[in-house]
Amino acid sequence: DQQVKQNSPSLSVQEGRISILNCDYTNSMFDYFLWYKKYPAEGPTFLISISSIKDKNEDGRFTVFLNKSAKHLSLHIVPSQPGDSAVYFCAARMNSGGYQKVTFGTGTKLQVIP
Amino acid sequence: SQTIHQWPATLVQPVGSPLSLECTVEGTSNPNLYWYRQAAGRGLQLLFYSVGIGQISSEVPQNLSASRPQDRQFILSSKKLLLSDSGFYLCAWGGQHNSPLHFGNGTRLTVT
Repeated sequence: DQQVKQNSPSLSVQEGRISILNCDYTNSMFDYFLWYKKYPAEGPTFLISISSIKDKNEDGRFTVFLNKSAKHLSLHIVPSQPGDSAVYFCAARMNSGGYQKVTFGTGTKLQVIP
Repeated sequence: SQTIHQWPATLVQPVGSPLSLECTVEGTSNPNLYWYRQAAGRGLQLLFYSVGIGQISSEVPQNLSASRPQDRQFILSSKKLLLSDSGFYLCAWGGQHNSPLHFGNGTRLTVT
């Protein structure tokens, strides 16, 4: 049962344009959402997060939007740069038996073309 | 500042051999610790988590086990590896309150 879904396995964007990565979830118990960036042969690094009580969080070129009614979140990168090329994982967190359980999506590989 | 170390970075093991992957965290005390696996073409699957010394919870039944002998040490083991154990294993700490998980650089395990 895939509770966090990233339906686009890959995305190509021209440098300078906007990259939009999408994520859907099914469990309404998730209360915190995160995006991670991963380069090959490295662990994921935390990028940006949003609480379920908000609908937008911005950090420099990165903005995460949350639509709770649609159970959908998206990551916007503006402007996209070649160094943004990586795999992006969406993650969702909820309390589970006294600890924070984090569930990841399958990832979207972003390629920013110079 | 907090750092997390995983080793080895790559490992090739024959089917039926034992496994021991180690993870240590520095700069924090009593962290929540996690083992994740990324299989080819798949997302990050939670294998084990620990909220304290000797406390291990398993998320999925499998051929692997985990132990936490010290506060900042987390070990992933297997007595006999299967081909299906191949993957990218990641240790992480954090997840308390509103802190995100922080990952190590992972171990690429290939079972032949």
